[in-house]
Amino acid sequence: AQSVTQPDIHITVSEGASLELRCNYSYGATPYLFWYVQSPGQGLQLLLKYFSGDTLVQGIKGFEAEFKRSQSSFNLRKPSVHWSDAAEYFCAVEDTGRRALTFGSGTRLQVQP
Amino acid sequence: DAGVTQSPTHLIKTRGQQVTLRCSPKSGHDTVSWYQQALGQGPQFIFQYYEEEERQRGNFPDRFSGHQFPNYSSELNVNALLLGDSALYLCASSPPMGTNYEQYFGPGTRLTVT
Repeated sequence: AQSVTQPDIHITVSEGASLELRCNYSYGATPYLFWYVQSPGQGLQLLLKYFSGDTLVQGIKGFEAEFKRSQSSFNLRKPSVHWSDAAEYFCAVEDTGRRALTFGSGTRLQVQP
Repeated sequence: DAGVTQSPTHLIKTRGQQVTLRCSPKSGHDTVSWYQQALGQGPQFIFQYYEEEERQRGNFPDRFSGHQFPNYSSELNVNALLLGDSALYLCASSPPMGTNYEQYFGPGTRLTVT
């Protein structure tokens, strides 16, 4: 069965600093990969997705992620964090074409002024 | 386009009761999936409906059941509620296969079982 690991439960960064959130997955083939963001009490908003092709994908709000097959990783990055980026971030994997997502346990991002 | 809508927003039930949650998918979407998100956890896949049939199911007991209507809207039913069923229930819809694929999530229904 596929699984997703987000090793960092909680990360605190200063506003303007760079950010990298880690995600590792376990899956036999190349899955579909996603990053979602969730603000308190809200649903999930898709930041970016990877299906195939270029391993560096750009998303909304200045986020990007890089797929590394050799490391089974799909880390999320942002060069300069804004206070409004404080939220919970979830990495998810989909068994290709099945449209059922497996989520990691999430990373809570806190942004210091 | 209203996006994915869910009702009610909040719900409080007693152990042993039954509950029905509702979801309207984004316009043009034909597949609806339900997820349970316990406090401090990532969402867990419950099941998925397509063409009014349950197509896939996660590791949830039969107390969890659903339905999809001809207009693609969906219901999630939970019988014999347990305290552990307290969670945020998220509905997600996705477009027909072959289109620009993405799952769009609704704001969720917060269920509290006392």
